[in-house]
Amino acid sequence: AQKITQTQPGMFVQEKEAVTLDCTYDTSDQSYGLFWYKQPSSGEMIFLIYQGSYDEQNATEGRYSLNFQKARKSANLVISASQLGDSAMYFCAMRVRTQGGSEKLVFGKGTKLTVNP
Amino acid sequence: EAQVTQNPRYLITVTGKKLTVTCSQNMNHEYMSWYRQDPGLGLRQIYYSMNVEVTDKGDVPEGYKVSRKEKRNFPLILESPSPNQTSLYFCASSQVQGLRQYFGPGTRLTVL
Repeated sequence: AQKITQTQPGMFVQEKEAVTLDCTYDTSDQSYGLFWYKQPSSGEMIFLIYQGSYDEQNATEGRYSLNFQKARKSANLVISASQLGDSAMYFCAMRVRTQGGSEKLVFGKGTKLTVNP
Repeated sequence: EAQVTQNPRYLITVTGKKLTVTCSQNMNHEYMSWYRQDPGLGLRQIYYSMNVEVTDKGDVPEGYKVSRKEKRNFPLILESPSPNQTSLYFCASSQVQGLRQYFGPGTRLTVL
């Protein structure tokens, strides 16, 4: 079954420190994509970073990096130098093929990150 | 500005009263999708559409209908809403086989 698992319901980090949010995935597809989205309290879904299954290097976007370990089927998000504005829900998602030949995103249940001053 | 818009943003209604949540994108994307978000469950796909007149069920389609008569629009229809459809709904779009889905701002629906 295509599944995303986020084992940390909540995480706390001190401002300016780095934090890692865990994500493991399960798929039998060879080609897939992994995403992280941020959802602040206002509710919108903000795209952070993407990693393709064939990408050899870990993706980075500013303070965000994705620690992609294909053999372990993990795609952890690393946020460096945390800021108070990073407090939000974070969702890991995987792009998978459907039986109908289309694609969809499968989401994890999310991790609530709180950055303390 | 590239965006996905949804209306209404907030809606309180009563059981059985038909409603439509509109979704529109201005990026000429072929793929559009509806999700619902419930506490502790993450986002689950309701329906998706690969192009005009092509729609298919997602993981939780019961109680919902969609249509795709134009490329830019993908309305979500609740013919007879029930309280278990109280949720936060997101519309999203992307290029087919694209790298990311662009999300609308969300519609918070309460069914009494």
